[in-house]
Amino acid sequence: DGGITQSPKYLFRKEGQNVTLSCEQNLNHDAMYWYRQDPGQGLRLIYYSQIVNDFQKGDIAEGYSVSREKKESFPLTVTSAQKNPTAFYLCASSGGLAGDYNEQFFGPGTRLTVL
Amino acid sequence: AQSVTQLGSHVSVSEGALVLLRCNYSSSVPPYLFWYVQYPNQGLQLLLKYTSAATLVKGINGFEAEFKKSETSFHLTKPSAHMSDAAEYFCAVLSGGSYIPTFGRGTSLIVHP
Repeated sequence: DGGITQSPKYLFRKEGQNVTLSCEQNLNHDAMYWYRQDPGQGLRLIYYSQIVNDFQKGDIAEGYSVSREKKESFPLTVTSAQKNPTAFYLCASSGGLAGDYNEQFFGPGTRLTVL
Repeated sequence: AQSVTQLGSHVSVSEGALVLLRCNYSSSVPPYLFWYVQYPNQGLQLLLKYTSAATLVKGINGFEAEFKKSETSFHLTKPSAHMSDAAEYFCAVLSGGSYIPTFGRGTSLIVHP
């Protein structure tokens, strides 16, 4: 079945640690996205990528980094510079070409908690 | 520029009652509109989308939405609520050649027995 997988489902981070969240898709989509979700704040865009080896900052990129070495993979690293990383993180993908107006497909999410 | 406003962060209905979740958008060009549903601790799932064909769009689980250009609205309805409809609902808009949607803040639907 085609879809998006995220791992791990739950992640715990100690202060000062970097952690990496995995996102893989087998939908052959060009565009991939990372969102952060906090209660009552909807979805906030962290980073997005339209093609391999290229990505852009979203609205809240500070303290995060990404890479896009393969079309199907878009890992997110939460660095120690992110002061309040406890949140639910969602990865999404879409056809991505401007003008296609395709819906996004979402993974099941990773819940990150800082200890 | 595009924006979305979802009126009401929480909507409470009784089982069997009409569900109405409101979404208003702002867009300088004809928009594409989406409703997504999110169950607790899960990702978002597409309910339905409007892409300039029929103004009344039918989706999964008995939901439908009507695009009203004059009111810049895309409200989501379901004639009879079921307990399993309890979830968070997000409205989103795409327009102006962008492939990045703008999401509303979400509305939590609570269904009472």
